[in-house]
Amino acid sequence: DTEVTQTPKHLVMGMTNKKSLKCEQHMGHRAMYWYKQKAKKPPELMFVYSYEKLSINESVPSRFSPECPNSSLLNLHLHALQPEDSALYLCASTLRSDSTGELFFGEGSRLTVL
Amino acid sequence: RKEVEQDPGPFNVPEGATVAFNCTYSNSASQSFFWYRQDCRKEPKLLMSVYSSGNEDGRFTAQLNRASQYISLLIRDSKLSDSATYLCVVNSVNNAGNMLTFGGGTRLMVKP
Repeated sequence: DTEVTQTPKHLVMGMTNKKSLKCEQHMGHRAMYWYKQKAKKPPELMFVYSYEKLSINESVPSRFSPECPNSSLLNLHLHALQPEDSALYLCASTLRSDSTGELFFGEGSRLTVL
Repeated sequence: RKEVEQDPGPFNVPEGATVAFNCTYSNSASQSFFWYRQDCRKEPKLLMSVYSSGNEDGRFTAQLNRASQYISLLIRDSKLSDSATYLCVVNSVNNAGNMLTFGGGTRLMVKP
């Protein structure tokens, strides 16, 4: 079982909706990540938080808004999404942002935008 | 040229076969290397880290060739349950932090 928990597992939303994806880990990791994965493609990095501060934003459109309320939680706020944003959204964590160790993934939130 | 490249496959092999995947990377400053396995509609899970001296875990052997900048994964005695996509992940650290770069994945299908 993964030690990174993501909710919801599935989400269907309209283009005018506002929703949020949530991620939680209690491994004491201080780097947390959002990835987007389309079918038959590798995960694409969206954001990196290091010690609760945004350290990397891979030119993600502003309709995706990340938030890190504390060291255990990571949110991704969604607003005015497009159908092409439908994908599996994966949260992950590592011990520190300068760690070269393993990346721990959550099970993902599968998003469908109608 | 992509930073991390893999043959997408699919590799179709019979049960019991030995199969090998390669992955090449372009950043010579890369520091650590991993093979992840991803089942359909699931999250990637670490299969094994790849060490300079090579390492083995049961039927799986991983090797690293820094001079030629590639890593490999060998699966012996393939099982039906080995069917999955295998992602090569290369890690380097720069001023922006921990950069994990994924290869495109290699799909393996083991058939009875």
